[in-house]
Amino acid sequence: EVQLVESGGGLVQPGGSLRLSCAASGFTFSTHWMHWVRQAPGKGLVWVSRINGDGSSTSYADSVKGRFTISRDNAKNTLYLQMNSLRAEDTAVYYCAREFGYCSGGSCYHYYYFDSWGQGTLVTVSS
Amino acid sequence: QSALTQPASVSGSPGQSITMSCTGTSSDVGGYNFVSWYQQHPGKAPKLMIYDVSNRPSGVSNRFSGSKSGNTASLTISGLQAEDEADYYCTSYTSSGTWVFGGGTQLTVL
Repeated sequence: EVQLVESGGGLVQPGGSLRLSCAASGFTFSTHWMHWVRQAPGKGLVWVSRINGDGSSTSYADSVKGRFTISRDNAKNTLYLQMNSLRAEDTAVYYCAREFGYCSGGSCYHYYYFDSWGQGTLVTVSS
Repeated sequence: QSALTQPASVSGSPGQSITMSCTGTSSDVGGYNFVSWYQQHPGKAPKLMIYDVSNRPSGVSNRFSGSKSGNTASLTISGLQAEDEADYYCTSYTSSGTWVFGGGTQLTVL
């Protein structure tokens, strides 16, 4: 069974930093692109960032570019989001999500949709 | 990276059908068949309902269907049931190599 468990959320002051983790199990972690998606209280889902299977390629939403860094440790089956220069508007539940994909014949394919989600971790930026 | 446009709310009676829209641009919805839909109940994680515009994952009721015309994708739910009451979000891959969500539609089953 696929499991994604986020941790690391909490209360942080504006300008501060926080590192989120997402522990993955039940699947071959290294073959999947992974994403972070956030949801401010009472608001909608917002895509934040993604990383490819071996960690060599990343992309970010404009709102977090230059402040957030996505990374992964495939040996530990863990996804990370390093968040720096935090602002009040970064307050949200942060979800990690797996992008559907598979590897075959030495090639890996990804499919642009999120087939598994964690339960989320709340980040509150406030003084 | 403007959000896709979804109606804030739709409603229907049990047994009826409803359709909700998701409008983007030629750089996202119109440019790729990588539109997916997610259902989210209060306090829960999102759940994949439709991928690649019109495909249903195994385990999702065939009452859910998706389509696309130009820059607008649509989610139709037929035979509405009480448990369908939730928020629904569309998302699309974009020409910038990013993803964009819609603002979400709150479905009320009357």
